[in-house]
Amino acid sequence: EAQVTQNPRYLITVTGKKLTVTCSQNMNHEYMSWYRQDPGLGLRQIYYSMNVEVTDKGDVPEGYKVSRKEKRNFPLILESPSPNQTSLYFCASSFFGTDEAFFGQGTRLTVV
Amino acid sequence: DQQVKQNSPSLSVQEGRISILNCDYTNSMFDYFLWYKKYPAEGPTFLISISSIKDKNEDGRFTVFLNKSAKHLSLHIVPSQPGDSAVYFCASNAGNMLTFGGGTRLMVKP
Repeated sequence: EAQVTQNPRYLITVTGKKLTVTCSQNMNHEYMSWYRQDPGLGLRQIYYSMNVEVTDKGDVPEGYKVSRKEKRNFPLILESPSPNQTSLYFCASSFFGTDEAFFGQGTRLTVV
Repeated sequence: DQQVKQNSPSLSVQEGRISILNCDYTNSMFDYFLWYKKYPAEGPTFLISISSIKDKNEDGRFTVFLNKSAKHLSLHIVPSQPGDSAVYFCASNAGNMLTFGGGTRLMVKP
């Protein structure tokens, strides 16, 4: 089954404690991206990757890091989380950047 | 500054009637537009798209209209069904990035 898998689904952490949200896709897609969803703001792109070892900033990259060492995986790293990063995060993949994208089920992150 | 706006945060429609969801954009460089549907506790799923060379695209009960001069697109659902109740996001491309609107929550009443 074609899917994008994110882990964990829910996470509560404290300010400053580094965390990683994993994302994996099984569709051999070149393009992967991370979004955050906040009320009234829709989905805002954090980072995207057009292929292995190629990453670029989206609209709201501050406070986040990503890596793309393998085609299937695109982890999101928060080196020092802050409460304003409390949000619902989605990973997505597609063959092309603006093609139909497949989304993961989301990770709800709370930073206290 | 939001380049893609959905000005109606919610819409309520009776089952069997037409649902019309609207979206406005500001960037004239956008040339491809998509609609996504999102149920609670799930990720968004692709619904329908349209290229700027077209003004209409239809897929079953779903039709997207694009008015380039007004920088406006709309999604029509006919007839609306209770299972269509979800949040709908429009999105437009800008280079290698997708820009999403804030979403419209559609409620279809039986």
